[in-house]
Amino acid sequence: SQQGEEDPQALSIQEGENATMNCSYKTSINNLQWYRQNSGRGLVHLILIRSNEREKHSGRLRVTLDTSKKSSSLLITASRAADTASYFCATGNSGNTPLVFGKGTRLSVIA
Amino acid sequence: DGGITQSPKYLFRKEGQNVTLSCEQNLNHDAMYWYRQDPGQGLRLIYYSQIVNDFQKGDIAEGYSVSREKKESFPLTVTSAQKNPTAFYLCASSIGGGGLDSPLHFGNGTRLTVT
Repeated sequence: SQQGEEDPQALSIQEGENATMNCSYKTSINNLQWYRQNSGRGLVHLILIRSNEREKHSGRLRVTLDTSKKSSSLLITASRAADTASYFCATGNSGNTPLVFGKGTRLSVIA
Repeated sequence: DGGITQSPKYLFRKEGQNVTLSCEQNLNHDAMYWYRQDPGQGLRLIYYSQIVNDFQKGDIAEGYSVSREKKESFPLTVTSAQKNPTAFYLCASSIGGGGLDSPLHFGNGTRLTVT
């Protein structure tokens, strides 16, 4: 069962612009995580935001969480060509249950 | 360096043959997972294990089998019963389950092609 749904499916921007990706989910969560995947590689964890947090920053990344709307957004500021990748949100529900991933947003940053 | 190693990177098999994908971690993580990734479908959970000698089915377990005899190792067997086995397979591990604020650490995947 896939809970997170990312939007848009694909995004193409110029280097230096900001990129915003959204994630919506259906049930209550303990945390929401964002991952990045370069083509043909494994996923890399970017940031985790807990259900009682509203915003979190890590370098050029900013994540927001709105539990009332069951949605999250990932903002990458001042994008670089090296940011080109697919980005996935994943929700952590309760206890030891595995994360549930969305289908991802494919970001292309054009130099 | 700690991490997860998946081997081989590419695997080719004839239809009707079973094939085993290797996943080893030296992160001392209790939990391990197998995901399947197809184009446009994101990651789907095949099996997961929270402790040695125990594992649970994920969303698409049919046609797959696993074992967890050692903490470090979680091999996945793709059997001939799996109707559409060609895919990119990802192994991951974590300290605990998703609800416990545990990020996943992923291997670099095995791309399986069955003809």
